Amino acid sequence: KNEVEQSPQNLTAQEGEFITINCSYSVGISALHWLQQHPGGGIVSLFMLSSGKKKHGRLIATINIQEKHSSLHITASHPRDSAVYICAVSIIQGAQKLVFGQGTRLTINP
Amino acid sequence: GAVVSQHPSWVICKSGTSVKIECRSLDFQATTMFWYRQFPKQSLMLMATSNEGSKATYEQGVEKDKFLINHASLTLSTLTVTSAHPEDSSFYICSARGRGTYNEQFFGPGTRLTVL
Repeated sequence: KNEVEQSPQNLTAQEGEFITINCSYSVGISALHWLQQHPGGGIVSLFMLSSGKKKHGRLIATINIQEKHSSLHITASHPRDSAVYICAVSIIQGAQKLVFGQGTRLTINP
Repeated sequence: GAVVSQHPSWVICKSGTSVKIECRSLDFQATTMFWYRQFPKQSLMLMATSNEGSKATYEQGVEKDKFLINHASLTLSTLTVTSAHPEDSSFYICSARGRGTYNEQFFGPGTRLTVL
């Protein structure tokens, strides 16, 4: 079992829909990252969380440390949100290396 | 804040040549830089970790003579792919970590290497 599990692996939705991507982890962490990777490869850091909730525009990220779970929400989704969303955790042991989820491929149709 | 750049963003080279990729932290001092490789439709794979002024620590299976990493200053690390071959074609991504509020990994945009 991977230390970081994302669900779903693939998600297709219509423009305007509310999107939720989930991330569960099984190790002790100092922080959790949500990353976005568009076709063509460039990675954008969306959020870094160690507790609670963060919001940036239409994106919301939450984390529950006790349950070892995080969610990324996209409100009023748009085709330009189509990308791969990656959850990564900084593990407490191991020189703060990142452990990555397998990614969620999101496609928003117009 | 916390901007990391990479140069070049893409490069095409002939087999047997060496290619250097730069990773810079633009607005903070990066005490540690990480180099990742990503194959199509796969997640990022950590290649090595470098601390400023010391030798890089390579992950198991990564050839240190093939992938030379230099972290000569607090804002610059370089990855040199020596004697590149087509199987080295990949997407290479760096991240940088500093101190205080920058004590987490901030990612560069990546460099796509194609070896002909």
